[in-house]
Amino acid sequence: KNEVEQSPQNLTAQEGEFITINCSYSVGISALHWLQQHPGGGIVSLFMLSSGKKKHGRLIATINIQEKHSSLHITASHPRDSAVYICAVSPYSGGGADGLTFGKGTHLIIQP
Amino acid sequence: DAGITQSPRYKITETGRQVTLMCHQTWSHSYMFWYRQDLGHGLRLIYYSAAADITDKGEVPDGYVVSRSKTENFPLTLESATRSQTSVYFCASRRGLAGGQETQYFGPGTRLLVL
Repeated sequence: KNEVEQSPQNLTAQEGEFITINCSYSVGISALHWLQQHPGGGIVSLFMLSSGKKKHGRLIATINIQEKHSSLHITASHPRDSAVYICAVSPYSGGGADGLTFGKGTHLIIQP
Repeated sequence: DAGITQSPRYKITETGRQVTLMCHQTWSHSYMFWYRQDLGHGLRLIYYSAAADITDKGEVPDGYVVSRSKTENFPLTLESATRSQTSVYFCASRRGLAGGQETQYFGPGTRLLVL
């Protein structure tokens, strides 16, 4: 069973700050996902990556497969970025299992 | 374009009652999933389905039953609800391309309270 650890669990920052959320996992994967969940809201996929780096607007996600580690960065943070960010991993296909394994999430608050 | 929907959105029931949560997707995705989200545990996989009539257990399947007679529907039944099944339930789907490197799309969730 893959263990997915996120840090920090909680993060409060000021508007405009550069934010980094980290994720590590214990077993090889086919892909890593970053998800966003607003309070009382649904879950939205931000990124899916299996290598390298992806960028979407002010969000950047990186993954290091050898180190089993990923980071999510938010540049020029804004109060609307306040949400829970969840790291999740997909197992290798053909291994007899499916579905995502999740970290416990990082609760981010951006203060104006 | 409805995407993936869940019903009901909120449900209150009593211990021992049977409850069915519905999930419907309009994309003809092959794979569908049920997750539960609890404080302190995060999201955990209950059951998944690779296609119609093919289902398999996830991490926390005890007390739940699933079926998938049609590709677009994946109901989750709590046969005899217990208080420990109070949770938020999310359905998800993905297309089913080889390799599994695909985005999963989540439904809006069902908040279930078992008294």
